[in-house]
Amino acid sequence: GAGVSQSPSNKVTEKGKDVELRCDPISGHTALYWYRQRLGQGLEFLIYFQGNSAPDKSGLPSDRFSAERTGESVSTLTIQRTQQEDSAVYLCASSFDRGETQYFGPGTRLLVL
Amino acid sequence: GDSVTQMEGPVTLSEEAFLTINCTYTATGYPSLFWYVQYPGEGLQLLLKATKADDKGSNKGFEATYRKETTSFHLEKGSVQVSDSAVYFCALFGGWGNKLVFGAGTILRVKS
Repeated sequence: GAGVSQSPSNKVTEKGKDVELRCDPISGHTALYWYRQRLGQGLEFLIYFQGNSAPDKSGLPSDRFSAERTGESVSTLTIQRTQQEDSAVYLCASSFDRGETQYFGPGTRLLVL
Repeated sequence: GDSVTQMEGPVTLSEEAFLTINCTYTATGYPSLFWYVQYPGEGLQLLLKATKADDKGSNKGFEATYRKETTSFHLEKGSVQVSDSAVYFCALFGGWGNKLVFGAGTILRVKS
């Protein structure tokens, strides 16, 4: 079946602009996660959704970052007033339920100039 | 909090050499353990996993055994190929957590 998809695959933006990153999880997966991978570093957790609610937002680095999930499906990660340090690959993962194996999308590579 | 430590790379091997990438963890409760692989230009893929002590995960000739007594999950392969060149990430999902906790990743380069 179809895997996790993300769009856009690449995004170049100017400092101060807002960006929206989209994630389509595997159908039927109730849990959805966002991670960030900065160049040469490991993956950092951002936020976890169970259904449409986000019981764990502890990884969001600032109030410029927000995310929502609708219809227990698509999720959008929004970064307002982007900064150069936001440049990274943003990865989405989904799993059948919390604690089950997570399957990752290809990521969105964000470059803030 | 939970953490994962894996050996620093890059690791450079000749084809058919034996591979070990060390991974140790700190966690409360009984985590599940994973190895993910990221091939050049591709996304993160699950390589193998183990969910309880003494379990052995295996896939594509790679193996790792969940060792609770040494809090380790070392990745091994008996004979590497050039196509195994990638970045390997060890990770855990804690019993009480809501996220995968990743190690920093180990670059593997296999020369023909």
